[in-house]
Amino acid sequence: DSGVTQTPKHLITATGQRVTLRCSPRSGDLSVYWYQQSLDQGLQFLIQYYNGEERAKGNILERFSAQQFPDLHSELNLSSLELGDSALYFCASNRGGDNQPQHFGDGTRLSIL
Amino acid sequence: ELKVEQNPLFLSMQEGKNYTIYCNYSTTSDRLYWYRQDPGKSLESLFVLLSNGAVKQEGRLMASLDTKARLSTLHITAAVHDLSATYFCVLQGAQKLVFGQGTRLTINP
Repeated sequence: DSGVTQTPKHLITATGQRVTLRCSPRSGDLSVYWYQQSLDQGLQFLIQYYNGEERAKGNILERFSAQQFPDLHSELNLSSLELGDSALYFCASNRGGDNQPQHFGDGTRLSIL
Repeated sequence: ELKVEQNPLFLSMQEGKNYTIYCNYSTTSDRLYWYRQDPGKSLESLFVLLSNGAVKQEGRLMASLDTKARLSTLHITAAVHDLSATYFCVLQGAQKLVFGQGTRLTINP
């Protein structure tokens, strides 16, 4: 158990819809990272938040947005969903330093029908 | 563009054998990670390599980093079935993490 909690575990929805994925980091961790894992694109870094502020941005689409709240949990919002958004979305956390390993949650599997 | 390439992508080996997974990357970085992912599961951090010449070992796995050659290796010694998984090499770029394609390792009894 990594201590990182992601909900929901599975999500099935239709094209054009909007969903919110939630992540609670390990106790004491200030950084939260979001990743997308799909068969065709592999694992891609989406975005990082540190103590409520956006710190780094990766291959995140404009239809996607994220935020980190004062209690340090984070949400990833995906809108105008397309079939290609079907993927496993991981959240990871660490204390904040780049040289610290990230601890991954179990992921949310998103299926777009 | 920062690229990370792993070789091989698929590896099937017998228990007791040794093998090495290679990770080449395109631009200078002094921070590299190795992660393990079991089928349908999350990612587990194995090693963080911070400097040229760094070598870290945990059980039957040993990782090394050569920043001049832009190469990291993950060596498996006397493989056992429990090491079957997908292994990812991950590079710390400028404000961005870049993942290799992953090496799917299958160890047969």
